Amino acid sequence: DIQMTQSPSSLSASVGDRVTITCQASQGITNYLNWYQQKPGKAPKLLIYGASNLETGVPSRFSGSGSGTDFTFTISGLQPEDIATYYCQQYDNLPPTFGGGTKVEIK
Amino acid sequence: QVTLKESGPVLVKPTETLTLTCTVSGFSLSNVKMGVSWIRQPPGKALEWLAHIFANDGKSYNTSLKSRLTISKDTSKSQVVLTMTKMDPVDTATYYCARIKNYFDPSGYYYYFDYWGQGTLVTVSS
Repeated sequence: DIQMTQSPSSLSASVGDRVTITCQASQGITNYLNWYQQKPGKAPKLLIYGASNLETGVPSRFSGSGSGTDFTFTISGLQPEDIATYYCQQYDNLPPTFGGGTKVEIK
Repeated sequence: QVTLKESGPVLVKPTETLTLTCTVSGFSLSNVKMGVSWIRQPPGKALEWLAHIFANDGKSYNTSLKSRLTISKDTSKSQVVLTMTKMDPVDTATYYCARIKNYFDPSGYYYYFDYWGQGTLVTVSS
């Protein structure tokens, strides 16, 4: 199975800050990577698919990039409603696998 | 409007078999570009993919849980069923079903979970 390593596991930032989360695959996955946001007590929500495609209705302050083994998820201007845990997920090989999550908090 | 809703027991005993049902609406389980996955999340931990099923009855399972899992669907009832045998307290988790979008287009190949159920917490305890 492909292992997905996210970093950091948690971060604290101020409103308006640029926040960056990285996700590293244990082997090359082309651009077959998705990002999800999960707020406490809620189901995950799709934000980015295919490494860089913004899901319909998702604010443009969210973006993704990368290919191969290294990927980046960015919030360009953190908002209070962005407090959540973010997960990457690869689909290059079955089974699909998730990263360990990054918890984003407000400083 | 796409919705998915999980149902099943909230409490199971160790060694018992868990049966969960996902009832979907707003899309058809016969759509070749879509499937349904089960994903779970132990309290305070990360997401873990369990299984998926597609319109052609294609199935795939989590590598380490494969021997305990069975996924099936009833297209006429718009339901996907997951069974997990030999339940253990470590299987205590919120279990989600999610719709899969799975397709090729000129820009590439895509497989993602675009709609999720609310989840159902299953506790394994005697």
